Amino acid sequence: EVQLVESGGGLAQPGKSLRLSCVASGFTYDDFAMHWVRQVPGKGLEWVSGISWHSKDIAYADSVKGRFTISRDNPNNSLYLQMNNLRPEDTALYFCSKGGGWLPLFYFHFFGQGVQVTVSS
Amino acid sequence: DIQMTQSPSSLSASVGDRVTITCRASQGISSYLAWFQQKPGKAPKSLIYGTSRLQTGVPTRFSGSGSGTDFTLTISSLQPEDVATYYCQQYNSFPLTFGGGTKVEIK
Repeated sequence: EVQLVESGGGLAQPGKSLRLSCVASGFTYDDFAMHWVRQVPGKGLEWVSGISWHSKDIAYADSVKGRFTISRDNPNNSLYLQMNNLRPEDTALYFCSKGGGWLPLFYFHFFGQGVQVTVSS
Repeated sequence: DIQMTQSPSSLSASVGDRVTITCRASQGISSYLAWFQQKPGKAPKSLIYGTSRLQTGVPTRFSGSGSGTDFTLTISSLQPEDVATYYCQQYNSFPLTFGGGTKVEIK
């Protein structure tokens, strides 16, 4: 059974940083791209960033480019999102997502339950 | 960026009704279209990828069709457990983008 468990969220002031983590199980982690997708409560879904199985292909939404960094640790089945220079508009529920293939230009196959990030002074 | 426009934004139908949701891309995306179901307070769930390929375990009352810019998700016989918001997503090019969602309720 595929499981994705996110952690690291919380309350941060504007301009500060947070690091999200996601631990995967139930599938061969290094065979798949991984993503972060976020959702403001009551609103739609927004893709944030994706990373290929070997970390050589990485993409970001323009809204986070230059501020967020995605990375993965395949031996430990982990995905990370380093979020710097946070803004109030980054407030959302952040989902870790397993991609449908090796590369990030693909659909989302499975989502974790999400971790809340709130940016406020 | 490719904009994905869903319609309607919400609908109310009776149990057993056939329900159709449309998704239009601002430019051609071939068949690189997926559909997701999100129930209140839950994570999204993948239903369909490649326009019409059902994920394992998804009931066969769900189907997808289309190509290019116009796509549809059809629920052939609406069930109470289908109450949810449905999203389309294109994966033809970055940034990956979603439609705004269609909220499905039971009349």
